[in-house]
Amino acid sequence: DARVTQTPRHKVTEMGQEVTMRCQPILGHNTVFWYRQTMMQGLELLAYFRNRAPLDDSGMPKDRFSAEMPDATLATLKIQPSEPRDSAVYFCASGLDRRQTPGYTFGSGTRLTVV
Amino acid sequence: SQKIEQNSEALNIQEGKTATLTCNYTNYSPAYLQWYRQDPGRGPVFLLLIRENEKEKRKERLKVTFDTTLKQSLFHITASQPADSATYLCALGMGNQFYFGTGTSLTVIP
Repeated sequence: DARVTQTPRHKVTEMGQEVTMRCQPILGHNTVFWYRQTMMQGLELLAYFRNRAPLDDSGMPKDRFSAEMPDATLATLKIQPSEPRDSAVYFCASGLDRRQTPGYTFGSGTRLTVV
Repeated sequence: SQKIEQNSEALNIQEGKTATLTCNYTNYSPAYLQWYRQDPGRGPVFLLLIRENEKEKRKERLKVTFDTTLKQSLFHITASQPADSATYLCALGMGNQFYFGTGTSLTVIP
């Protein structure tokens, strides 16, 4: 089965350090999402891309978060500088236009701990 | 403010019974609604999508209803099994963006 690959699976870092999370979407998928999941807030939409163009990143704290798709096989989410409140599981999901294929495929997530 | 609320507490049911999970929303006008399953330590897995002009959708033991007047979706699992134990999430879709509810933790007791 095709899958969305996220790396690293776990990351522990000190406050103030830069963190980069990577996502390899399913080949051929043209839509990529980044979500953050915490116990308190649940799943929050951070950003999404269509055909590699960022369409909405209003859910991201702009001063420290950035999301890019340097090519169709790689999406990155960067936090600089990281803070303890950024501790969460970050998920990437990919899919096609919903009218073509319903539902999106999620990766297994990156569990980030900022100490 | 916009809200998406699911069963507020964990749901425990006996094996073989039908589990019914609710998803209520306010101040959204979704064009479609999706249901996902999430197991501990894993990402959500897509189960079903229902569009605003559809009342009901079925897939094997799963059934979803969507009432845009009540602003509610119901998710049913018939003949439930212990393997159905997981957290179930509804997600409201507008365009290509979708927003998740808080999730309901379902436990099916053998």
